[in-house]
Amino acid sequence: DTAVSQTPKYLVTQMGNDKSIKCEQNLGHDTMYWYKQDSKKFLKIMFSYNNKELIINETVPNRFSPKSPDKAHLNLHINSLELGDSAVYFCASSQAWGAGDTIYFGEGSWLTVV
Amino acid sequence: DQQVKQNSPSLSVQEGRISILNCDYTNSMFDYFLWYKKYPAEGPTFLISISSIKDKNEDGRFTVFLNKSAKHLSLHIVPSQPGDSAVYFCAASLDQTGANNLFFGTGTRLTVIP
Repeated sequence: DTAVSQTPKYLVTQMGNDKSIKCEQNLGHDTMYWYKQDSKKFLKIMFSYNNKELIINETVPNRFSPKSPDKAHLNLHINSLELGDSAVYFCASSQAWGAGDTIYFGEGSWLTVV
Repeated sequence: DQQVKQNSPSLSVQEGRISILNCDYTNSMFDYFLWYKKYPAEGPTFLISISSIKDKNEDGRFTVFLNKSAKHLSLHIVPSQPGDSAVYFCAASLDQTGANNLFFGTGTRLTVIP
């Protein structure tokens, strides 16, 4: 049973479209994250969400908006997609503000913008 | 600016021999270091960590060494097994509770040759 699951796994879409990536965790964790791995393989945090408190990395464009209907879900919505948004997006969760050794990653969502 | 660097994108090692993966960092305030392992089409999984108050941490075949003066850490795998073939990410944090402040390296692809 997958601990952190993301859908879709692959997404190809045109510039200017709006798309969402869904994430669900069944670990009972309080904290969830979105990471982006770009073409240079850098894995960088975009958002973290803990008990209704959203922390946004200030380098993330405001076209990206996380939505958390409950603590088991943190969805990523992207407006007006651009070519540079093509990347692998990883969802993750951890115990409440736990250290990196409690973080569990999803399998990744490959987004290609054409 | 990339604060955690893995300068070797790939490494090949014969089965049974030692694998040494290296990582350098620039921020002297980093207090906690972690290694993650990633198989294709999967998210990273936590492998081993070390606090800055230690210079060595061992877990089975995996040992992480930390040289704070050189801002360098390494992961040793002895003996290497074909199942160890994966991408290994080094990560650093400003404190042990900062899973939302992990800085990742770009990864080193390890291939263990049977």
